[in-house]
Amino acid sequence: DGGITQSPKYLFRKEGQNVTLSCEQNLNHDAMYWYRQDPGQGLRLIYYSQIVNDFQKGDIAEGYSVSREKKESFPLTVTSAQKNPTAFYLCASSSAGANTGELFFGEGSRLTVL
Amino acid sequence: EDQVTQSPEALRLQEGESSSLNCSYTVSGLRGLFWYRQDPGKGPEFLFTLYSAGEEKEKERLKATLTKKESFLHITAPKPEDSATYLCAVQGHSWGKLQFGAGTQVVVTP
Repeated sequence: DGGITQSPKYLFRKEGQNVTLSCEQNLNHDAMYWYRQDPGQGLRLIYYSQIVNDFQKGDIAEGYSVSREKKESFPLTVTSAQKNPTAFYLCASSSAGANTGELFFGEGSRLTVL
Repeated sequence: EDQVTQSPEALRLQEGESSSLNCSYTVSGLRGLFWYRQDPGKGPEFLFTLYSAGEEKEKERLKATLTKKESFLHITAPKPEDSATYLCAVQGHSWGKLQFGAGTQVVVTP
């Protein structure tokens, strides 16, 4: 089955540690995205990538980094510079030929900082 | 700056009790308005795209409509399996950037 796989589903981190969230898709989509979801707030865009080896900052990129070395993969690193990293992180993808608002989402990764 | 406001924040319905969710938006040059459904602890699932005022889309018990300032998601004769958070998002001129609302949490009781 085609889809987006995020791992791990749950992650606990001590303050000062970097963590990397994995996102893999087998939908052959060119564009991939990372969103952050906090209670009572809408999804906020962290980073997005339209094509391999290219990515752009979203609205809340500070304290995060990404890479796009393969079409299928778009990992997100939450660095120690992110002041409030506890959140639900969602990876998504879209086809370049479709409206880019029609996103396929993964199941999410919940990060908790202890 | 694009903005999306959804109301109400939460809605509790009896099975079969129809209702509507509201999504008010301001955007520079609407390229699309999108509705998603999100179950607890899961990623959102795409439902509809609306492009211009007057457009309507239907899927099972859900019907989405669009005006120049807002969109409505009508739930007709809901069932418990319609319980979820419904998210609205708009896309303006910026490629790849959606502005999401905070969502409406719907609970349908038997």
